[in-house]
Amino acid sequence: DIQMTQSPSAMSASIGDRVTITCRASQGIRNYLAWFQQKPGKGPKRLIYGASGLQSGVPSRFSGSGSGTDFTLTITSLQPEDFATYYCLQHDSYPYTFGQGTKLEIK
Amino acid sequence: EVQLLESGGGLIQPGGSLRLSCTASGFTFSNYAMSWVRQAPGKGLEWVSAIRGGPGNTYYADSVRGRFTISRDNSKNTLHLQMNGLRVEDTAIYYCAKDQLAFCSGVSCTQVFEIWGQGTLVTVSS
Repeated sequence: DIQMTQSPSAMSASIGDRVTITCRASQGIRNYLAWFQQKPGKGPKRLIYGASGLQSGVPSRFSGSGSGTDFTLTITSLQPEDFATYYCLQHDSYPYTFGQGTKLEIK
Repeated sequence: EVQLLESGGGLIQPGGSLRLSCTASGFTFSNYAMSWVRQAPGKGLEWVSAIRGGPGNTYYADSVRGRFTISRDNSKNTLHLQMNGLRVEDTAIYYCAKDQLAFCSGVSCTQVFEIWGQGTLVTVSS
């Protein structure tokens, strides 16, 4: 099974900051990596597909990069609505696996 | 509009059984794999099970294999998760999600988990 190691598990940042969240796969997953945002009491929302594809309707301050085993989600110029928990998901092979999550809080 | 609607959650005693359903609309259900994902209170997302479109192969997380059974009724656009031998640690919100297109190629293979249901709460407690 493929393990996904996501870091950091939590971070604090200020409005306008640039933040980076990383996911590392235990083996190559090509570009079969998606990123999700989840706010309290809500279901997950897909932000990025195929490692770098921006979901329609998602602001361009969100971007994804990487291929193989190392992936990054970057948020430039943090906005108040971006404070949430973020997850990566590998869907290269079953069983799919999520990263442990990154809780992004306001500094 | 593409939609998924779960049902069947509730309070059940340890060792009991429950059947979740997910009704799909707005897309050709039979052509897509479908997954179940759960989230225990205060915890992260955990992929639980999937069933492919087309051949209908099934897959399970180690934590539920042998206790849960995923199935689909393409004539009713409905996905099911039969949960037997429930444990306290199965307590979670259960989501269904639209997974991969059968026989996909290129970018279409990356179009997974764009659509989620609203979730149904399963509480296992005595």
